[in-house]
Amino acid sequence: DSGVTQTPKHLITATGQRVTLRCSPRSGDLSVYWYQQSLDQGLQFLIQYYNGEERAKGNILERFSAQQFPDLHSELNLSSLELGDSALYFCASSARPQGSSGANVLTFGAGSRLTVL
Amino acid sequence: GENVEQHPSTLSVQEGDSAVIKCTYSDSASNYFPWYKQELGKGPQLIIDIRSNVGEKKDQRIAVTLNKTAKHFSLHITETQPEDSAVYFCAARSGYSTLTFGKGTMLLVSP
Repeated sequence: DSGVTQTPKHLITATGQRVTLRCSPRSGDLSVYWYQQSLDQGLQFLIQYYNGEERAKGNILERFSAQQFPDLHSELNLSSLELGDSALYFCASSARPQGSSGANVLTFGAGSRLTVL
Repeated sequence: GENVEQHPSTLSVQEGDSAVIKCTYSDSASNYFPWYKQELGKGPQLIIDIRSNVGEKKDQRIAVTLNKTAKHFSLHITETQPEDSAVYFCAARSGYSTLTFGKGTMLLVSP
């Protein structure tokens, strides 16, 4: 167990629907990252939060949004779902934002597998 | 932004052989290079990392080498075991940016 908790583990839904993925970071970690993993694209960075504030944005679609709450858990909202959104979504956490001095290891959760039919 | 290329995409070895996975990066300012192992049904897990002020780092059967001039780094696994079978990802980071990952290498170790 990495200490990063993601729910749900599996989710099947239909095109056009909206889903919410939830992540609880490792105890003491202030930074949360969301990644999308598909077969042909590897691990694609979506967005990062640090202590409740958006810190960096990657290849995140406008149909997707995220937030980090005061208790540091984070949610990734995916709307108007398309077949191509089917993927594994990983949350990772770290003690400090990326680029901080010193070691700042990313710890990943087990992922949420989204299937859009 | 940073671009990380990883080769090979799949690698099959016999138990006891060595395995080498290679990555190249594009941003000469990158200074942190971790390697992650992803087992089936799990998230990626950090196995070793190296910073740009170091040329090589070892941890038991795993070693990573970095050539800053050529902008490439490699993962070496010696005396491979079936439990080493997994997908391995390299990554690179420069300054205050986020990690950029390679597309992964599926390593299969046959008994």
